[in-house]
Amino acid sequence: GNSVTQMEGPVTLSEEAFLTINCTYTATGYPSLFWYVQYPGEGLQLLLKATKADDKGSNKGFEATYRKETTSFHLEKGSVQVSDSAVYFCALRAGDSNYQLIWGAGTKLIIKP
Amino acid sequence: NAGVTQTPKFRVLKTGQSMTLLCAQDMNHEYMYWYRQDPGMGLRLIHYSVGEGTTAKGEVPDGYNVSRLKKQNFLLGLESAAPSQTSVYFCASSYASQQGLHYGYTFGSGTRLTVV
Repeated sequence: GNSVTQMEGPVTLSEEAFLTINCTYTATGYPSLFWYVQYPGEGLQLLLKATKADDKGSNKGFEATYRKETTSFHLEKGSVQVSDSAVYFCALRAGDSNYQLIWGAGTKLIIKP
Repeated sequence: NAGVTQTPKFRVLKTGQSMTLLCAQDMNHEYMYWYRQDPGMGLRLIHYSVGEGTTAKGEVPDGYNVSRLKKQNFLLGLESAAPSQTSVYFCASSYASQQGLHYGYTFGSGTRLTVV
């Protein structure tokens, strides 16, 4: 079946450090991949997406590349800020499902000044 | 531009009480969803709807009912609340392009429910 696996958190970094949050997936067909972010006390917001292999999604300095050969969609940022502290969710929309998203468990990111 | 609005934001119930959570969206989205979020378990789909008048069960539907009488509203009901239903509940909506592609969900800000 379809599934998403994220690295366990929390991930704690100092300001200006390089960030990687790993996400791998199992899916039938040709999935679309998403990263969502949840700031404290808020709902989830779409951060970036990629709809086909080798696509790179980017937003707010974050990037993720859809790697079909390694079934991965790792989230990266070159220099994190305290304001990036949040929970990050990786998700996929499988090719055989036209609307439902399959979610990872979320990774909490803590950035210290 | 309100997006997805959930009411109430907080609620405390006693075991056995009933309540309804309301989700309203003003984006004319066809698809709507109810999730619960529990620590360490991510998001779990309770029920969803692919259009006005239709509903379907998700991953964890037991103890909940839903209705979609109007396109813009999706109601989640708890008939007899249990402590296991203490959680944060999120509503979301989405749409499909003419090619059938979905570009992500819009979420409400959540309802924190405590059952004592």
